[in-house]
Amino acid sequence: QVTLRESGPVLMKPTETLTLTCTVSGFSLTNPRLGVSWIRQPPGKALEWLGNIFSNDVKSYSTSLKNRLTISKDTSRSQVFLSMTNMDPVDTATFFCARIRPVSLGGNGYNWLEDYWGQGILVTVSS
Amino acid sequence: DIEMTQSPSSLSASVGDRVTITCRASQDISNALAWYQQIPGKAPRLLLFSASRLGDGVPSRFSGSGSGTDYTLTISSLQREDFATYYCQHYYILPGFGQGTRLEIK
Repeated sequence: QVTLRESGPVLMKPTETLTLTCTVSGFSLTNPRLGVSWIRQPPGKALEWLGNIFSNDVKSYSTSLKNRLTISKDTSRSQVFLSMTNMDPVDTATFFCARIRPVSLGGNGYNWLEDYWGQGILVTVSS
Repeated sequence: DIEMTQSPSSLSASVGDRVTITCRASQDISNALAWYQQIPGKAPRLLLFSASRLGDGVPSRFSGSGSGTDYTLTISSLQREDFATYYCQHYYILPGFGQGTRLEIK
């Protein structure tokens, strides 16, 4: 059974650095055919993809947020981390982690799809 | 970045209705399109991927179609548990989501 669980602070002050942990089970972070993404959702708003990480430690980040984000992992503990610097009240959101797996694009190779999601953690930024 | 334009933003319908939600990408995404259902306070649930393939355990009343830049999600006969918010997502390069469609009971 695949599960993901987000943990970390629920209240942050402006300018602080957020660090969240995603603990996974039911799959291995060493599996070359799997990875983990981070996505956020401000209250009442749409989902926003933040970035992902793969077994070989390759990472991709949102174009608009890449200067503030760092994703890393501890394979031995089955954990993936998201760090976001300089938090602001507009960053108040539920943060989700999700497993990603390859999906064929037909004759054009494959790309990565979020299939299993964690329940999310609401992080509020306020002074 | 590829932009996803989803419509309508909200929709009222009755149990048993057939409903369609559309999603348009700012460039060809080669069917790298997924649909998610989100109930308030819950994580998104994968409904369809590759534009038309059902996710695990998803009822057959959900279907998807489209190609190139234009895609649709159809629910053939609405059930009470289908009233939720639906998001399209492309995963062609860096993923991106549509703005969501809130499906409400009429």
